[in-house]
Amino acid sequence: QSVLTQPPSASGTPGQRVTISCSGSSSNIGSHIVNWYQQIPGTAPKLLIYTNDKRPSGVPDRFSGSKSGTSASLAISGLQSEDESDYYCAAWDDSLNGPVFGGGTRLTVL
Amino acid sequence: EVQLVESGGGLVQPGGSLRLSCAASGFRFSSFWMHWVRQSPGKGLEWVSLIYTGGTTTLYADSVKGRFTISRDNAKNTLYLQMNSLRAEDTAVYYCARSGGGTDSGFDSWGPGTLVRVSS
Repeated sequence: QSVLTQPPSASGTPGQRVTISCSGSSSNIGSHIVNWYQQIPGTAPKLLIYTNDKRPSGVPDRFSGSKSGTSASLAISGLQSEDESDYYCAAWDDSLNGPVFGGGTRLTVL
Repeated sequence: EVQLVESGGGLVQPGGSLRLSCAASGFRFSSFWMHWVRQSPGKGLEWVSLIYTGGTTTLYADSVKGRFTISRDNAKNTLYLQMNSLRAEDTAVYYCARSGGGTDSGFDSWGPGTLVRVSS
């Protein structure tokens, strides 16, 4: 059972906009920023969004992040087939004194 | 170019030990917090351990506390994870990752991972 809660799956058709939620508590998302990672199965994760809503160089602006209270969300607009991946949210947790991840969301592009 | 390359994984019996290494290049290794993150087969990501820049402060997930030891050699640009009393549930791909320092820094670079299998 992960500390941060994500839906296990999400899907959309090419061109659509999809959102992935990440729910936490006051000890993690409520007190700290949220980062998002993209992982193509069989490869290492890649930082996708940092500090809630910032994109590293090279990440398309189709990807956006937001945070409110103890929840965060990742939005992908103009969905493309190459967006099919696993997505993880993460935040520091003061109670556990370390970073915690969501359980991951597998995105399928139909 | 930032590079992290793990090594040392393999098959080990329950109760055994293994030492993982992560060779870093392309950046000032001594300026970054370093982490180990693992992923069991078909499962999600789990943070394992963190070491601050100087190496004197370390943190561990409860699942490995007392069994795993993280260390670093800033002169050799290398991160280590000594794993003792290994259990079947420690079977996973182990990634080393760097963060900029501070609790809110993301893992901005990852190695390709090394597979640890604990089985008799």
